[in-house]
Amino acid sequence: AQSVTQLDSHVSVSEGTPVLLRCNYSSSYSPSLFWYVQHPNKGLQLLLKYTSAATLVKGINGFEAEFKKSETSFHLTKPSAHMSDAAEYFCVVSDRGFNKFYFGSGTKLNVKP
Amino acid sequence: EAGVAQSPRYKIIEKRQSVAFWCNPISGHATLYWYQQILGQGPKLLIQFQNNGVVDDSQLPKDRFSAERLKGVDSTLKIQPAKLEDSAVYLCASSLTDYQRGLEENEQFFGPGTRLTVL
Repeated sequence: AQSVTQLDSHVSVSEGTPVLLRCNYSSSYSPSLFWYVQHPNKGLQLLLKYTSAATLVKGINGFEAEFKKSETSFHLTKPSAHMSDAAEYFCVVSDRGFNKFYFGSGTKLNVKP
Repeated sequence: EAGVAQSPRYKIIEKRQSVAFWCNPISGHATLYWYQQILGQGPKLLIQFQNNGVVDDSQLPKDRFSAERLKGVDSTLKIQPAKLEDSAVYLCASSLTDYQRGLEENEQFFGPGTRLTVL
């Protein structure tokens, strides 16, 4: 069975400080992993994805994530938060070849001025 | 490139009424998904189509929910009759995945969603 646990439902950072959003996954197979962002009243947008190539994945808007198989983690980071980063972030696991997406419960990122 | 279109964006109905949502996927995308996103939760897959065939509808409450994609392009999702617990955002997504053609592109593109409130 596949599942995703996002360890924090809310994260608050100050503008210009680092962002860390944590995600742990469980998968019976070699997984594909994604991070999506959802701004209010907007559709989900893909930030980055891991599909068994490099374990450090760079995405849009300065975000990156590192796949750590030994820790079954795929944490999302950004060196310096911007006000426009305030949104909800979802970690997603998909078994390669099945194309089924399993979403975490989301982490709401608040960026303080 | 035009994205996934959904309508309406908002809908308020009373319980036991019927409602329908419409989705137009990205042109050329063979696979279409409907998700339900309850407040405070991540999206949950309701049904997945490839062209006009159903790939997975295991989590669709078939006693009240139905969906179709007759010509393999647009899709409609219907709830009849609605219950209070159906209040949620209904998301449509599409992807290039096409198992018949050996295309396994996992990225899904999401529409803005329809926010349903059942009173």
